Amino acid sequence: QKEVEQDPGPLSVPEGAIVSLNCTYSNSAFQYFMWYRQYSRKGPELLMYTYSSGNKEDGRFTAQVDKSSKYISLFIRDSQPSDSATYLCATVQQAGTALIFGKGTTLSVSS
Amino acid sequence: GAVVSQHPSRVICKSGTSVKIECRSLDFQATTMFWYRQFPKQSLMLMATSNEGSKATYEQGVEKDKFLINHASLTLSTLTVTSAHPEDSSFYICSAVRRADYEQYFGPGTRLTVT
Repeated sequence: QKEVEQDPGPLSVPEGAIVSLNCTYSNSAFQYFMWYRQYSRKGPELLMYTYSSGNKEDGRFTAQVDKSSKYISLFIRDSQPSDSATYLCATVQQAGTALIFGKGTTLSVSS
Repeated sequence: GAVVSQHPSRVICKSGTSVKIECRSLDFQATTMFWYRQFPKQSLMLMATSNEGSKATYEQGVEKDKFLINHASLTLSTLTVTSAHPEDSSFYICSAVRRADYEQYFGPGTRLTVT
């Protein structure tokens, strides 16, 4: 079993839709959870960062972590064509150590 | 905000030659830098961990004699792909851990094509 599982998609939605992206992880010792956005041929860009369980909101983005089920989610409200990218979940046991990434989900938002 | 740069952004080289990729943290000191490799439609896979002033730690399956890492200062790490082969063609991405708060920032990546 891989440490972080993520459905690669692709996922296609119309503009304005609510998008739900999900990952599961296997190691209960993971403490920090991140979502990165990666445009084609570019480096990953940090979107959201949460520590332990709970929700975190930033504009149209909400990150959710459920440590009891080892499940992490990213919700995008009012999706825009500019949100079209690959979204990678990542986790780490201790801050400052190497991240473990999911495979990434490719999202396409059509206008 | 914290910025990490990589140079070059894209390089094409012939099989058998060596290529050096630089990773710099422009406005912060980095205790640690990581080197990742990403193949098309795949996730980022950690290759090695680079700490300033000490030898790099390589992940299983990554040849340390082929991928030479030098971390000369708190703002610069270099990855040299020696005797490159077509199978080394990939997207190489570095990240830097900011010394002040352990937040990690990624560079824009270097696309290597070996012909």
